[in-house]
Amino acid sequence: EDQVTQSPEALRLQEGESSSLNCSYTVSGLRGLFWYRQDPGKGPEFLFTLYSAGEEKEKERLKATLTKKESFLHITAPKPEDSATYLCAVQAVNDYKLSFGAGTTVTVRA
Amino acid sequence: GAGVSQSPRYKVAKRGQDVALRCDPISGHVSLFWYQQALGQGPEFLTYFQNEAQLDKSGLPSDRFFAERPEGSVSTLKIQRTQQEDSAVYLCASSHRGFLDYGYTFGSGTRLTVV
Repeated sequence: EDQVTQSPEALRLQEGESSSLNCSYTVSGLRGLFWYRQDPGKGPEFLFTLYSAGEEKEKERLKATLTKKESFLHITAPKPEDSATYLCAVQAVNDYKLSFGAGTTVTVRA
Repeated sequence: GAGVSQSPRYKVAKRGQDVALRCDPISGHVSLFWYQQALGQGPEFLTYFQNEAQLDKSGLPSDRFFAERPEGSVSTLKIQRTQQEDSAVYLCASSHRGFLDYGYTFGSGTRLTVV
């Protein structure tokens, strides 16, 4: 069974204080690893798809990296508008559903 | 429409009542998913449709849960005889088949509260 564990559960940052979120996973053949952002009362919003170890993707202050066992979401010089819950999910080869972690709730104080 | 639309946004049901939750996916999206999200948790898979065919319903928690997508577009998730443990946000997502570069697009969900 696919498993996704995210840490820490919550992260409080000062504006401009860079940090990283961790997503550890086990899957029977990775088709893709996904990062989503979820704001309160909203559905998850797609950020990145990573397909193979060594791959990196960037979007504004966010950079996602992937190894064979984990993925990191780096937040560089965060702003208050980066406050949200960040969800990691995996999709196995020959599967269609996403298996999600519980998320990391990031709060950025001005 | 431009996004996935779900209705109602909020639903309060008395225990034992039947409810129906609606999802309008993005036009042309072949794949449609239902997920259940409990407070403070990540979404949990319920069921998957490819066009009108329900290919996987392994995540439905009991036979009180039923989903349909009769014409391959709009989908309805029905919960019979609701219980308190059914209280959660129900999310719908859609995608082009096999197209992962933009992930799955989620709606804002229906928050179901069973009292």
